Amino acid sequence: ELKVEQNPLFLSMQEGKNYTIYCNYSTTSDRLYWYRQDPGKSLESLFVLLSNGAVKQEGRLMASLDTKARLSTLHITAAVHDLSATYFCAVDEETSGSRLTFGEGTQLTVNP
Amino acid sequence: DAGVIQSPRHEVTEMGQEVTLRCKPISGHNSLFWYRQTMMRGLELLIYFNNNVPIDDSGMPEDRFSAKMPNASFSTLKIQPSEPRDSAVYFCASGRNSGNTIYFGEGSWLTVV
Repeated sequence: ELKVEQNPLFLSMQEGKNYTIYCNYSTTSDRLYWYRQDPGKSLESLFVLLSNGAVKQEGRLMASLDTKARLSTLHITAAVHDLSATYFCAVDEETSGSRLTFGEGTQLTVNP
Repeated sequence: DAGVIQSPRHEVTEMGQEVTLRCKPISGHNSLFWYRQTMMRGLELLIYFNNNVPIDDSGMPEDRFSAKMPNASFSTLKIQPSEPRDSAVYFCASGRNSGNTIYFGEGSWLTVV
């Protein structure tokens, strides 16, 4: 059974600081997704990583994938309050179609 | 693009009643997913369809749950009879082939009392 583990589960940080969220998974996969969820809202797609060594950046967020280590990271640069949300990684274990298994989520709070 | 459309957005029902949740995927997407989100269990995949065919329903909790996709633009998730432990947010999502973004609807917030 595929397991997806995020670390940390709760993160409180000051504005302007940098931090990294880690996502470990237990199967061989080269398709990794990151989502953001605001309280009471839906999941918003942030990144889709499709190969070993893939790196994508959008604003203050950068995601990377190391399939050999079965690890993805979401790096936050110079955090701002608007980044406060819960961040999920998800792994696609299917070779046809998609079947996402989600991590537990990392609840990020950025304090002024 | 209208996105994934779910209805109802909120439903409160009594235990034992039938609940039907509806989903319209994004046009052109060939995969559709039903997820359930709770504080205790996080996001769980209940079932997914590819080209309207159920591919994996191993996440469906029990026989009280059923899902259908009669055509490419409509799916339902039915709970009969409902129980308080079914209270959760049910998300529908759709996507194209593997490796593409999967888009989530706004969710249906179900409370069974």
